[in-house]
Amino acid sequence: EPEVTQTPSHQVTQMGQEVILRCVPISNHLYFYWYRQILGQKVEFLVSFYNNEISEKSEIFDDQFSVERPDGSNFTLKIRSTKLEDSAMYFCASSLQGHSGNTIYFGEGSWLTVV
Amino acid sequence: SQELEQSPQSLIVQEGKNLTINCTSSKTLYGLYWYKQKYGEGLIFLMMLQKGGEEKSHEKITAKLDEKKQQSSLHITASQPSHAGIYLCGADMAGNTGKLIFGQGTTLQVKP
Repeated sequence: EPEVTQTPSHQVTQMGQEVILRCVPISNHLYFYWYRQILGQKVEFLVSFYNNEISEKSEIFDDQFSVERPDGSNFTLKIRSTKLEDSAMYFCASSLQGHSGNTIYFGEGSWLTVV
Repeated sequence: SQELEQSPQSLIVQEGKNLTINCTSSKTLYGLYWYKQKYGEGLIFLMMLQKGGEEKSHEKITAKLDEKKQQSSLHITASQPSHAGIYLCGADMAGNTGKLIFGQGTTLQVKP
């Protein structure tokens, strides 16, 4: 069954460093998402991306965050200057369409620990 | 605010018993998704409901969306240890963005 894959599975980084989390969405999907889950908290929406543009972003997704689709298969989340509170599990997701009724598939997640 | 409440927060059942998890919204839902998560792992898609009164089943798991589209329930029949995990409901409250708002999750333990 097709799946969303994410790398790295775990990353530890120093505060202030830049981090890039990578995702390979399901191959025929057109809509891509990043979510995060701080330990013990709810899964939170960060951003949605379609046609090489951000469709929607949450208030969490401030200027330190950026997303990119550098080629036909990868979708990345960059955190420019990491803070301790960025420590979380980051999930990439994709769907064929963006409107209601389309299944959204999630990856296994990337654990980010900022020290 | 856009809130989704799940109940119960946690559940311990004996293997073979049935159980129900509820997900309630104060707003009409355009779509309701159920996922299962094992601690520290990804979200596994279970089912998606869109129409009021809709019911879907997969193996021993049944999910329903009420007529008003503000509450969903997930029912597991004859639970097994493999059902253990965290069940998350996620709601599409806008209808056109694919953005999901999640509940806080229900942790299920199944005792052999």
